[in-house]
Amino acid sequence: DTEVTQTPKHLVMGMTNKKSLKCEQHMGHRAMYWYKQKAKKPPELMFVYSYEKLSINESVPSRFSPECPNSSLLNLHLHALQPEDSALYLCASSRGIASGRPGGTGELFFGEGSRLTVL
Amino acid sequence: GEDVEQSLFLSVREGDSSVINCTYTDSSSTYLYWYKQEPGAGLQLLTYIFSNMDMKQDQRLTVLLNKKDKHLSLRIADTQTGDSAIYFCAERLDFGNEKLTFGTGTRLTIIP
Repeated sequence: DTEVTQTPKHLVMGMTNKKSLKCEQHMGHRAMYWYKQKAKKPPELMFVYSYEKLSINESVPSRFSPECPNSSLLNLHLHALQPEDSALYLCASSRGIASGRPGGTGELFFGEGSRLTVL
Repeated sequence: GEDVEQSLFLSVREGDSSVINCTYTDSSSTYLYWYKQEPGAGLQLLTYIFSNMDMKQDQRLTVLLNKKDKHLSLRIADTQTGDSAIYFCAERLDFGNEKLTFGTGTRLTIIP
């Protein structure tokens, strides 16, 4: 199984709603990522979890709250979002860093993304 | 710095070779990757190269790395309509760094 599964594929929410994006992988990877991608732009890193601990937060507003319940699951909780937060949210996983080096060739495996529209 | 630059657009006739270029500014990059993104989809890893290599070939794909000029290229031989997509290069800055920084992306259009 080399898949990263994201749900839902599409989400429309109002600015006062609370919703969550979910991501799952069963490759035994120990690092999981959230990226945000606006149209015609490259993905921008939001958060990295390494061995279930938050290791990178790229100064993301607190209306985005990540959670890593276990090594296979990654959530992104959304609250009081703005219309400019509308984007494709991509989850990714990798084998993680061990002994100071990335596992394998260090590549990230991406899900198909959750397209979020904030009204 | 971590800026990774690519040309925005490339048009190629079906059957010709496509060459997508990428320049980066951080000489400490260790691993470099090429990803493909089709419309509405996630990113698919195409190939990678380690910083101690200068060339890697994988079927129709050839990656060239010029560390002196901080230049990376992806050549796609015999380009097909299914190769239409956005191509991103990405760099990992050092061995202990989990962050991948993506280039600006090149939209490849195939002309029949």
